[in-house]
Amino acid sequence: RKEVEQDPGPFNVPEGATVAFNCTYSNSASQSFFWYRQDCRKEPKLLMSVYSSGNEDGRFTAQLNRASQYISLLIRDSKLSDSATYLCVVTFRGSQGNLIFGKGTKLSVKP
Amino acid sequence: GAGVSQSPSNKVTEKGKDVELRCDPISGHTALYWYRQSLGQGLEFLIYFQGNSAPDKSGLPSDRFSAERTGGSVSTLTIQRTQQEDSAVYLCASSPWTGNNQPQHFGDGTRLSIL
Repeated sequence: RKEVEQDPGPFNVPEGATVAFNCTYSNSASQSFFWYRQDCRKEPKLLMSVYSSGNEDGRFTAQLNRASQYISLLIRDSKLSDSATYLCVVTFRGSQGNLIFGKGTKLSVKP
Repeated sequence: GAGVSQSPSNKVTEKGKDVELRCDPISGHTALYWYRQSLGQGLEFLIYFQGNSAPDKSGLPSDRFSAERTGGSVSTLTIQRTQQEDSAVYLCASSPWTGNNQPQHFGDGTRLSIL
């Protein structure tokens, strides 16, 4: 079983749509959680950290459910520029920051 | 800019040759990480440095892979006797220090192709 699992997509949505991505992780010792964004043939960039209480950054909302070992990302009012691959990332207690990546969910926002 | 810099951007080499990849982290960042991304695969952790020390080498796929960091700054990842399965994008990231809450800043990567 993969440590971090995501639906690979692609998610094809129209501009203005709301889209949600889910991610599950297998290791209960997971400590920190992030969403990264990766554009085609580019490096990953941190989108947002995910906190237990849930957190919001503009159109983006992240949720964490430790009991279910589940993380989500909600994007409201999708823009063309949101088209990218969204990577679910976790770290484990004692790992010194080594990031464990999911394979990513591809989002394509159409006009 | 002042971001993470990697070189070369692209490297094409014949099977069996040695290659050396370079990473120049953000100035002042003590933590440095190497990952690789194979076609259709997620990013895979290889090794990290805290200063010049590499406490965790568990991610290196074989003994053909090695890495070093000197002066707490530039790091090189060396692959000896390259194989076709080594073809991937090798990404370097740095953060102010190690720790699970530190955001990591990635370089553009080195795209390695083994013929």
